[in-house]
Amino acid sequence: GESVGLHLPTLSVQEGDNSIINCAYSNSASDYFIWYKQESGKGPQFIIDIRSNMDKRQGQRVTVLLNKTVKHLSLQIAATQPGDSAVYFCAEKRGTSYGKLTFGQGTILTVHP
Amino acid sequence: NAGVTQTPKFQVLKTGQSMTLQCAQDMNHNSMYWYRQDPGMGLRLIYYSASEGTTDKGEVPNGYNVSRLNKREFSLRLESAAPSQTSVYFCASSRDRGMDEQFFGPGTRLTVL
Repeated sequence: GESVGLHLPTLSVQEGDNSIINCAYSNSASDYFIWYKQESGKGPQFIIDIRSNMDKRQGQRVTVLLNKTVKHLSLQIAATQPGDSAVYFCAEKRGTSYGKLTFGQGTILTVHP
Repeated sequence: NAGVTQTPKFQVLKTGQSMTLQCAQDMNHNSMYWYRQDPGMGLRLIYYSASEGTTDKGEVPNGYNVSRLNKREFSLRLESAAPSQTSVYFCASSRDRGMDEQFFGPGTRLTVL
């Protein structure tokens, strides 16, 4: 069925390294994607979004890449810090499904000092 | 601004009891959402309200009802709680129902015995 999923459930990196978190989607009608960060005991926090008419978008220390050919989304975090340790979710909006985001399972990022 | 607030933070119910989860936002957003998050899974949409006066079912609406009381408030009601409804519930809001990020509340952790 249609889904948004993540390749890796966990990712461990050393402080200062770059992190890459991946996400696959199956519906070519998806036109909006968001990455969220969720710390333990808190609600998801917006990191960055990208529309389907773009293939790259940069924020502060984060970059999202969208490859529509293979239906793949990635989040790159530069110079990862211990405070980046959290669960990261990708979410997609499918075409005319007004505001209804579909979330992936999440990737646990652990940053070791 | 408080953003999105939810009450209560924690709740324990017995099977068959009812309760209402409250959510309010002070960002003058038009759209509001209720999600549930279960271990190892991403967020799943229960109900949403695209604008004041409208509500629609999401992915997992069974066993729940909602009320968009006014533009600020969106409540979720469990009429007869079941153990399968043990979860963490998140309320979210967005400026509109299109390509806008959703802002999440801190969540309500509900246990049904």
